[in-house]
Amino acid sequence: AQSVTQLDSQVPVFEEAPVELRCNYSSSVSVYLFWYVQYPNQGLQLLLKYLSGSTLVESINGFEAEFNKSQTSFHLRKPSVHISDTAEYFCAVTPSGGYQKVTFGTGTKLQVIP
Amino acid sequence: GAVVSQHPSRVICKSGTSVKIECRSLDFQATTMFWYRQFPKQSLMLMATSNEGSKATYEQGVEKDKFLINHASLTLSTLTVTSAHPEDSSFYICSAIRDREGEKLFFGSGTQLSVL
Repeated sequence: AQSVTQLDSQVPVFEEAPVELRCNYSSSVSVYLFWYVQYPNQGLQLLLKYLSGSTLVESINGFEAEFNKSQTSFHLRKPSVHISDTAEYFCAVTPSGGYQKVTFGTGTKLQVIP
Repeated sequence: GAVVSQHPSRVICKSGTSVKIECRSLDFQATTMFWYRQFPKQSLMLMATSNEGSKATYEQGVEKDKFLINHASLTLSTLTVTSAHPEDSSFYICSAIRDREGEKLFFGSGTQLSVL
């Protein structure tokens, strides 16, 4: 079984400031890691993912996350946030090799302040 | 990219009625689909795994007789909330696995169910 912990339920940050959303996981097997974004009353959109290879993964809109196996973390960062980044962000994990059991964290609401 | 369509996006119903939610994979065949439930300000909780042509596998604590899942074709899975009650009000999201190269897991846009 695996679990995901997102300690911060809300993160307010001023526009153009950097942000880090924390995610820690636990699993007895190797895993795939994901960050999803959810805008109000919408489904989930994949932001980025780590499957294997380079531990630093990037999204097309400036987010990045680094897989740290020793610290069992997959924190999400962006050097300069925009108002449009305001949304809920979910970290998720699934055993590597398949997508049968995706476990989500409780989410972090990013509030970008103008 | 692959698209998963979920319908309706929002439904309001009276207590005691049944509501059907559809999840369609529009440009790929999905032998496996998943149904999640999301309470306000909480994470997504997996309810069940829907396999085409066979019975769904429900997670512990999910009432199979209340949440009927049918995966009759490779592109459609339905979730029927039977005899809905106010406590069933929630955001329901489906996802589907694409068995091809590239991105594997796709989510629908969700259905907000409100039971009065």
